[in-house]
Amino acid sequence: AQSVTQLGSHVSVSEGALVLLRCNYSSSVPPYLFWYVQYPNQGLQLLLKYTTGATLVKGINGFEAEFKKSETSFHLTKPSAHMSDAAEFFCAVNHNHTDKLIFGTGTRLQVFP
Amino acid sequence: GAVVSQHPSWVICKSGTSVKIECRSLDFQATTMFWYRQFPKQSLMLMATSNEGSKATYEQGVEKDKFLINHASLTLSTLTVTSAHPEDSSFYICSAPAGTSGMNTGELFFGEGSRLTVL
Repeated sequence: AQSVTQLGSHVSVSEGALVLLRCNYSSSVPPYLFWYVQYPNQGLQLLLKYTTGATLVKGINGFEAEFKKSETSFHLTKPSAHMSDAAEFFCAVNHNHTDKLIFGTGTRLQVFP
Repeated sequence: GAVVSQHPSWVICKSGTSVKIECRSLDFQATTMFWYRQFPKQSLMLMATSNEGSKATYEQGVEKDKFLINHASLTLSTLTVTSAHPEDSSFYICSAPAGTSGMNTGELFFGEGSRLTVL
């Protein structure tokens, strides 16, 4: 069975600071991993995904994540936060390579001026 | 990009009534759609998989008689919360796979969500 754990339900950073959102996964098969973002009053949208190949994955809006099998992690980073990055971020793994996604509990990112 | 639209985005109803939520794929066809439920400060919980032309597949613990799902066409799936009670109040989100049939990419297009409040 697969599962995802996101450490920290809230993360606050200053504008221009590094953003680090943590995600650890558990999977009995090589995982497909995703980060989705939910901006206020909008639906979830795909930020980036890892399936196979390069372990450092770049997404939209300057975000990137690195798949580390040894650490069972897929942490999301952005070098310099913008005010517009404030949103809810969800890490997810897909169930046995189907279209079913198993989500983490989400991390709300706040960015202060 | 492809868009999935839900309606209504917000609904308030009295206890005991039924509420229908629509999920439409606007510029693509979706043989499968997923319905999620999101509680405050909690993750999205998959409720069921809606299959065009056949019965929905419900996740364990989800009452199929309470949450009726109909996937009548390749662009429309509906979720009906029957005899709603206050504990059914939640945020309901639908999604459709981005990949073509059989690709199983795990990438989904999500609707904006529908917030149900049962008084």
